[in-house]
Amino acid sequence: QVQLVESGGGVVQPGRSLRLSCAASGFTFDSYPMHWVRQAPGKGLEWVAVVSFDGSHKNYADSVEGRFTISRDNSKNTLFLQLNSLREEDTAVYYCARARDAFDIWGQGTMVTVSS
Amino acid sequence: AIQLTQSPSSLAASVGDRVTITCRASQVISSDLAWYQQKPGKVPKVLISDASSLESGVPSRISGSGSGTDFTLTISGLQPDDFATYYCQQFYNYPYTFGQGTKLEIK
Repeated sequence: QVQLVESGGGVVQPGRSLRLSCAASGFTFDSYPMHWVRQAPGKGLEWVAVVSFDGSHKNYADSVEGRFTISRDNSKNTLFLQLNSLREEDTAVYYCARARDAFDIWGQGTMVTVSS
Repeated sequence: AIQLTQSPSSLAASVGDRVTITCRASQVISSDLAWYQQKPGKVPKVLISDASSLESGVPSRISGSGSGTDFTLTISGLQPDDFATYYCQQFYNYPYTFGQGTKLEIK
């Protein structure tokens, strides 16, 4: 079935880095733009970044621009998010999501906690 | 960035009621709007895309309307399964943005 499975979350100190992965299956991965969306504890949804189907175009939320990098490996059906210079306000569940327009497929999320 | 303002922020209703949630965009976004439902501890689920297109498997008591800057999500004949938080989201341009959410609670 169509599925997205995130991994790589954890507890990290401010200023450190983390790399999230999202393994896709059940659909033609390289036909879709892919996104990361996050949700801080008890808060709403925040779009983070998108990468085009071939990886050539990327866009970021202002809150992460210059610190986070989205990428994909279509040969491995995997999406990545490199999180650098982490801040406490980056603490959230990070979801990968498939979307041409609306986010129709979501992963189960991976928790990132930034704390000293 | 396009701001989406949902109202109300919270709403109490009874099973069987009809409720309407509104989403106003800070600029014209054509019909490039989606609605999501999220239950506590669960992944968001898309209900409606393109402002009014019901996603497969979503009950017909749920409907969406609007274009330009003003949009509504209507749920008729509320069922216990409908009590959740609802978000609107624009995909007109980047950065994509979400509304702040509307929590629908049982009265």
